Amino acid sequence: KAGVTQTPRYLIKTRGQQVTLSCSPISGHRSVSWYQQTPGQGLQFLFEYFSETQRNKGNFPGRFSGRQFSNSRSEMNVSTLELGDSALYLCASSLGASMGLTDTQYFGPGTRLTVL
Amino acid sequence: AQTVTQSQPEMSVQEAETVTLSCTYDTSESDYYLFWYKQPPSRQMILVIRQEAYKQQNATENRFSVNFQKAAKSFSLKISDSQLGDAAMYFCAYRSAPYPGPGGTSYGKLTFGQGTILTVHP
Repeated sequence: KAGVTQTPRYLIKTRGQQVTLSCSPISGHRSVSWYQQTPGQGLQFLFEYFSETQRNKGNFPGRFSGRQFSNSRSEMNVSTLELGDSALYLCASSLGASMGLTDTQYFGPGTRLTVL
Repeated sequence: AQTVTQSQPEMSVQEAETVTLSCTYDTSESDYYLFWYKQPPSRQMILVIRQEAYKQQNATENRFSVNFQKAAKSFSLKISDSQLGDAAMYFCAYRSAPYPGPGGTSYGKLTFGQGTILTVHP
């Protein structure tokens, strides 16, 4: 089974621009979660989508948004980029509807975003 | 809110020896899940081992095992027979059990510790 894929792997943007990151989950997984990883703040949860609905959200400004499509693929958008948005953005997928450890999250390779 | 603490920013071990990475967490919940992930230089986050809080038996996956002390809120990872490929950043993570919410059942996010860099010396 193919793993979680993320595109693009690397991005360079300038302040004020917007960016869209994409995540394709493992086949059969309906939940997609997004995390931001920075040296200073570590790994922080952004949001989670399940069946095209956001069902959990972290403490990030409204500039960070996302969506999920009917095939479970998810996109994350950051508008009006700031220098502090430079980070590794990780996507994780899971079954999303079962109980217990069968709902473990598996991660993609990440998208490295640099804001200049 | 739950917090996860990894008190060892860096650890090192000789190849073939055993090392233990520490993790403590703070929660008022009785049902939850705990995970160890490793992140090698490639930055790909890889699941190492997982544990359900209601199971007293410690999880084991080949050379990796945990010491889960629920009362002490401690979840340490033991790596036996360390190999060069074990060198990575290791993260301890907490996830709440599903709970009902206004939008339906909410499946908890992962809360991560700060990570421990493990170096393996040949």
